[in-house]
Amino acid sequence: EVQLVESGGGLVQRGGSLRLSCAASGFTVNSNYMSWVRQAPGKGLEWVSIIYSGGSTYYADSVKGRFTISRDNSKNTLYLQMNSLRAEDTAVYYCARDLFHWGQGILVTVSS
Amino acid sequence: EIVLTQSPGTLSLSPGERATLSCRASQSVSNSYLAWYQQKLGQAPRLLIYGASIRATGIPDRFSGSGSGTDFTLTISRLEPEDFAVYYCQQYGSSPPWTFGQGTKVEIK
Repeated sequence: EVQLVESGGGLVQRGGSLRLSCAASGFTVNSNYMSWVRQAPGKGLEWVSIIYSGGSTYYADSVKGRFTISRDNSKNTLYLQMNSLRAEDTAVYYCARDLFHWGQGILVTVSS
Repeated sequence: EIVLTQSPGTLSLSPGERATLSCRASQSVSNSYLAWYQQKLGQAPRLLIYGASIRATGIPDRFSGSGSGTDFTLTISRLEPEDFAVYYCQQYGSSPPWTFGQGTKVEIK
């Protein structure tokens, strides 16, 4: 069974950094494309980033240059390194395997 | 970047009624790489439809998707109580960034 469990969220000050983790089970993280999607409180879904099985990465303009997606095959874990955080980055962050499987989400709050 | 515009913003219907949700893209969505999700409060999105018209595993056949190019539709033939939720379309074309529509809330009338 495919499972995705996010961790690493919490409260951080504006300008700070945070690394989200997404532990995968039931498949290997380098066998499918994986992405991060976020949802600000009371708002809609926003696509953030993707890493393909071949290693190519892409980002939304809103996070380009500040966020980095990566994976550790030995730990079967997906990451999102978030630097220079802004108040508008406050959201629930979901990791997803392709379109079908999503984690439960983790809250990131950036205080000003 | 492809902008997706969903309409209406809110749909007020009664159980048993038919719901028709629209998603319009600012440019053609390649290969009909258009998905629909359902999201309930406090839950992760749930994939309903991909490839514009293919139901995901376990999705009831009252949900159907149609369209191509720039105009797509999600239809719920007869609303069940558990269908009242927010619905999002997403394009996942060949080249990111991928984008979501702003959502349509289906509420009980």
